[in-house]
Amino acid sequence: QVQLQESGPRLVKPSRTLSLTCTVSGASISSDGYYWSWIRHLPGKGLEWIGYISNTGSTFYNPSLRSRITLSLDSSKNQFSLSLRSVTAADTAMYYCASLKGDMAPFDYWGQGTLVTVSS
Amino acid sequence: DIQLTQSPSSLSASVGDRVTITCQASHDISDYLNWYHQKPGAAPKLLIYDASNLQTGVPSRFSGSGSGTDFTFTISSLQPEDIGTYFCQQYDNFSFGPGTKVDIK
Repeated sequence: QVQLQESGPRLVKPSRTLSLTCTVSGASISSDGYYWSWIRHLPGKGLEWIGYISNTGSTFYNPSLRSRITLSLDSSKNQFSLSLRSVTAADTAMYYCASLKGDMAPFDYWGQGTLVTVSS
Repeated sequence: DIQLTQSPSSLSASVGDRVTITCQASHDISDYLNWYHQKPGAAPKLLIYDASNLQTGVPSRFSGSGSGTDFTFTISSLQPEDIGTYFCQQYDNFSFGPGTKVDIK
C-alpha cells in the first residue's frame, strides 16, 4: 500500500515561497504510470487541485496557479516537491499530497495533510 | 471550466437510513466522476471512481451511479463512522464539488 507524508514549514511570510515535500513509501515515484499530485483545502472553501507530476517529470498545473507553481521529483529520495511563489494570506490552507495511476485517474492515496499559514 | 454542484450542502440522518447525495456537472463529463469521504481532521478517502466503481476495500453500502451531467451517491444504511463531508470530483482540472456534510441525527 502506498503511503505519503508531507513535510515543510508550517508558517510562511507573505511574498515568500512555500515549499513542501512529499515522501512516498510502498511505491517508487519512478514507476510507470504513476502520477504525483498536490491538493489543498482552503479554509471555509473547498478542495483545490494544484498540479501533478508524472514518473518521468512531465507536469500539469491548475491554470489558476500555473504562474506561481513548480513541481519536481527526487527519485533518489523517493520524494516529490511543491514550490508556490509569491504567497499571500489566500494561500493559507491544508496541503495534501496524493497519488494517481494515470493522468485521468482518481486520487487513490493521500497524505495526512499539513497546515500552512501565510502570515507575517 | 467544468463546474460541479452538490446537493444537499448538509444533511442529518439516523443510523440505518438510506442517504443520497447528488452531483451535477456544468457540461457532459461522461462517467469521469469520483466520490470521496473526508472525516473531520483526516485526509479525503476515495470511495467510488468513474461514477460507479467501488474502490477496493470500501464497504458495499456505498454506491454511485450516473453519467453525463447528473450523478448520485448513495449510502444504503448509514453508519456512525460515515459522518463527515462527501465530495465529488471530475477530471477537467481535477475540480471538486463544494461538499455535502453528513451527520447523525
